[in-house]
Amino acid sequence: AQKVTQAQTEISVVEKEDVTLDCVYETRDTTYYLFWYKQPPSGELVFLIRRNSFDEQNEISGRYSWNFQKSTSSFNFTITASQVVDSAVYFCALSEPRTTSGTYKYIFGTGTRLKVLA
Amino acid sequence: DAGITQSPRHKVTETGTPVTLRCHQTENHRYMYWYRQDPGHGLRLIHYSYGVKDTDKGEVSDGYSVSRSKTEDFLLTLESATSSQTSVYFCAISPNNQPQHFGDGTRLSIL
Repeated sequence: AQKVTQAQTEISVVEKEDVTLDCVYETRDTTYYLFWYKQPPSGELVFLIRRNSFDEQNEISGRYSWNFQKSTSSFNFTITASQVVDSAVYFCALSEPRTTSGTYKYIFGTGTRLKVLA
Repeated sequence: DAGITQSPRHKVTETGTPVTLRCHQTENHRYMYWYRQDPGHGLRLIHYSYGVKDTDKGEVSDGYSVSRSKTEDFLLTLESATSSQTSVYFCAISPNNQPQHFGDGTRLSIL
């Protein structure tokens, strides 16, 4: 069965510390996509990154970086030199094709709440 | 920003009353989704649509129905609201396997 596990319910760090958010997924498909979303205290969901199953290259965007490892079914997210504005709930998600309707099925993890303290 | 609007943004109602939430998009995307967000559960899919009048159930569809009579609108209806349906509801749109873009959410309280 498809599943996304974010084992870290809540993490607290002091500003400028690096922090890694873990995401482990399960799927039987060879073609799938992985996503990270951010939900700040204001409540909206903001897309951060998409990675397809055939691209294991790590991605860096400013202070954010993502490590995709198919061997361990993980798609971890690291924030370098964290800032108070990074405080949010972060969701990892998996999408894979449905056998019917031609659409993709999205499965979300339960989220990790990150608190960055000044 | 993706053109997606949810209405109402907040609603308080009583058990047993019908409730309809609206999701409106201006992106002409084929796929639309309704999720609910609850503490400890993340986002769970209620129903989704892959075209006008084409809808299917998600993982938590009991007690909910949907309709999509035109591309831009996707309605979620609680026929007889229960307290367990108190939640934050998010609509999302996407061109299939592309990232989903979410509305700002509807906070629904059922007393």
